[in-house]
Amino acid sequence: RKEVEQDPGPFNVPEGATVAFNCTYSNSASQSFFWYRQDCRKEPKLLMSVYSSGNEDGRFTAQLNRASQYISLLIRDSKLSDSATYLCVVSSNTGKLIFGQGTTLQVKP
Amino acid sequence: NAGVMQNPRHLVRRRGQEARLRCSPMKGHSHVYWYRQLPEEGLKFMVYLQKENIIDESGMPKERFSAEFPKEGPSILRIQQVVRGDSAAYFCASSPGPSGRGTDTQYFGPGTRLTVL
Repeated sequence: RKEVEQDPGPFNVPEGATVAFNCTYSNSASQSFFWYRQDCRKEPKLLMSVYSSGNEDGRFTAQLNRASQYISLLIRDSKLSDSATYLCVVSSNTGKLIFGQGTTLQVKP
Repeated sequence: NAGVMQNPRHLVRRRGQEARLRCSPMKGHSHVYWYRQLPEEGLKFMVYLQKENIIDESGMPKERFSAEFPKEGPSILRIQQVVRGDSAAYFCASSPGPSGRGTDTQYFGPGTRLTVL
């Protein structure tokens, strides 16, 4: 079983749509949780950290459920520029990041 | 403040040669992490270094791969006697402190794309 599992997609949505990505992780001792974005296999860029209380940054909302070991990302009012691969990431207490395979989003006009 | 720098951006080697990948962390960052992304796969952790120390090398292949982060100069990932399966993107990340407790974000460099012929 993979340590971090994501549906690879692709998700093809029209501009303006709301889209949700889910992710599960296997290690209950995981310390921190993130969503990164990767464009065309360039370097990953931090989109947002994820907290149990949930957090929102503009059109993006992230949620963590520690009991279910489940992380989500909601994107509202999708833009063409949101097209990318979204990486669900957890960190261990040693600092290393463990990446999911990524979910590909394609926003179409 | 310049970001994480990696060079070369692209590296071509023939089987059996050595590959040296360099990473200069962001200014003020003393923690460096190396990750590898094989074609059509996700990023995988390789090694975590602090100045002059290897903290966690649990993701490093046992043979041919080594990493260092000297007191002066960039971190180096060295691959000896490269094989075709080493072809991948190698990303370096840095943080100002240990990121295990979620206190410090890792920032990624642009990566080195290694192609082994």
